[in-house]
Amino acid sequence: AQTVTQSQPEMSVQEAETVTLSCTYDTSENNYYLFWYKQPPSRQMILVIRQEAYKQQNATENRFSVNFQKAAKSFSLKISDSQLGDTAMYFCAFRQGAAGNKLTFGGGTRVLVKP
Amino acid sequence: EAGVAQSPRYKIIEKRQSVAFWCNPISGHATLYWYQQILGQGPKLLIQFQNNGVVDDSQLPKDRFSAERLKGVDSTLKIQPAKLEDSAVYLCASSLHPAHYEQYFGPGTRLTVT
Repeated sequence: AQTVTQSQPEMSVQEAETVTLSCTYDTSENNYYLFWYKQPPSRQMILVIRQEAYKQQNATENRFSVNFQKAAKSFSLKISDSQLGDTAMYFCAFRQGAAGNKLTFGGGTRVLVKP
Repeated sequence: EAGVAQSPRYKIIEKRQSVAFWCNPISGHATLYWYQQILGQGPKLLIQFQNNGVVDDSQLPKDRFSAERLKGVDSTLKIQPAKLEDSAVYLCASSLHPAHYEQYFGPGTRLTVT
């Protein structure tokens, strides 16, 4: 079974600075997807960024980028130029490549952006 | 485009009582998911529907939990009887089809069992 581990329960960052969240996963599969989801306080979970395992290039979405190290099974998220609206729980998630396979989530990292 | 709707948003019940949650996915989304999110943890999939058929219910405690999606649109998740450890947020999500990577989540129902 796949497992996803987020070792940082909570992180704080000053507004406009950069924060990096770590995620490791365990799988024997070669075809899979990795995701970072954001869950703001009392609001819906939304997808921040995704990475296909077959792509070597790291995904980027505006201020969010990932460092995908397939051999090390590591998938970190970097938030640049942090904004107050980035305050949220961030979940790393894994999905096997075959259709219909479920998302397996990590335990989450709480990010607090301070003004 | 309307998002995933869930009701109620909050529910407090006593142990051994029953409760039901409702989810209306995004229009046209064939795949619907129910997750349980215990405080301080990531969501855990309970059941996945493809139209009105069950794709995966391996982590659904079937002795007390049941779910249905009779017409392939709305879905209901029921707990009977509830236990203290069922206190959690129940999230509904939908996607266009199983192979589509993005799942859209609803606001969740926060259940407290006393």
